[in-house]
Amino acid sequence: KQEVTQIPAALSVPEGENLVLNCSFTDSAIYNLQWFRQDPGKGLTSLLLIQSSQREQTSGRLNASLDKSSGRSTLYIAASQPGDSATYLCALRGSTLGRLYFGRGTQLTVWP
Amino acid sequence: EAQVTQNPRYLITVTGKKLTVTCSQNMNHEYMSWYRQDPGLGLRQIYYSMNVEVTDKGDVPEGYKVSRKEKRNFPLILESPSPNQTSLYFCASSPWDRMNTEAFFGQGTRLTVV
Repeated sequence: KQEVTQIPAALSVPEGENLVLNCSFTDSAIYNLQWFRQDPGKGLTSLLLIQSSQREQTSGRLNASLDKSSGRSTLYIAASQPGDSATYLCALRGSTLGRLYFGRGTQLTVWP
Repeated sequence: EAQVTQNPRYLITVTGKKLTVTCSQNMNHEYMSWYRQDPGLGLRQIYYSMNVEVTDKGDVPEGYKVSRKEKRNFPLILESPSPNQTSLYFCASSPWDRMNTEAFFGQGTRLTVV
């Protein structure tokens, strides 16, 4: 069974810092990987989707990379802002395409 | 606006009283699924559906039922709710194009069973 781990579980940084959030997985036979943002008490908002054949995706200040051979993905956030404060989740769609496996998230706090 | 809509958003019920949480999407997506989110356990998949009349179990299907009679709707049924089903529930949908299976989530349903 696919196991997804996110490190760190929580992160608190001052505004302006560049951040790296990590997601590791045990089974490299993935179809794609998706990063989400979740605000307290709210639903999940899709940030980036990386297909298994891709190495990275970029959207604004966000850049996500994927290294299947090492079982890792990173989400890079440039010039962090207080509005980036949220929980960030990675999710993998495995070879059984109907299944989506989530990490437990990294809770990010960016203070002014 | 493209969206996944869940109802109700909040629900308090008593043990054993059957309930249904509805989920509807307006994006003509083939794939729909249900998750529960619990502190310390993260999001776990309950059931999913690859298309109309096709459903399959996720990691935690016990105590839940689903149906997919129409493409846009995927209700979650708790025949006899118990307190351990108190949780935050999310419905999601995605297309089933080989090049794009980006998942879109509803706003969640917070269920309390007393």
